[in-house]
Amino acid sequence: AQTVTQSQPEMSVQEAETVTLSCTYDTSESDYYLFWYKQPPSRQMILVIRQEAYKQQNATENRFSVNFQKAAKSFSLKISDSQLGDAAMYFCAYRSANNAGNMLTFGGGTRLMVKP
Amino acid sequence: KAGVTQTPRYLIKTRGQQVTLSCSPISGHRSVSWYQQTPGQGLQFLFEYFSETQRNKGNFPGRFSGRQFSNSRSEMNVSTLELGDSALYLCASMAGTFMNTGELFFGEGSRLTVL
Repeated sequence: AQTVTQSQPEMSVQEAETVTLSCTYDTSESDYYLFWYKQPPSRQMILVIRQEAYKQQNATENRFSVNFQKAAKSFSLKISDSQLGDAAMYFCAYRSANNAGNMLTFGGGTRLMVKP
Repeated sequence: KAGVTQTPRYLIKTRGQQVTLSCSPISGHRSVSWYQQTPGQGLQFLFEYFSETQRNKGNFPGRFSGRQFSNSRSEMNVSTLELGDSALYLCASMAGTFMNTGELFFGEGSRLTVL
């Protein structure tokens, strides 16, 4: 079974600064997808960014980018120019490419606080 | 386009009772999955339905069950409630089928408190 670990329960960043959230995972599969989801205090989870394991290029979405290290099984999220609206719980998630369906395995989450 | 709608948003039950939660996916989405979120266990996958068939199931006891209707709306049921079932239950829908990397769209959840 796959596991996802987020070693930072809480992080804080000054507005306009850059912060990196860590995620490691364990799997014996070679083909899979990785995601970062954001859950603001209103609770609705939204997708921040996704990465296909077969792609070597790191995914980027505006101020959000990932550092995907497949051999190390590491998938960190970098948030540049942090904004107050970035404050939320962030979850790293894994999905097998070998399974029909969209079952996600989530990490424990990192609470990000943004200081004005 | 309306998002994923979950009802009820909040509910309180007592031990031994049963509860039914409802989820209406985004129009056109055929896949619906359910997750349980608790402070202790985090986010855990319950089950997924696609075209009225259960496609995946997580490691939960048989007290947890679900179904999907022909219009893709889904319900989950928990029987003989226990205190540990208190949680936020999240529903998510996706448009795609097999091997789809499409985005999961989550509802705001149903907060269940068991007394």
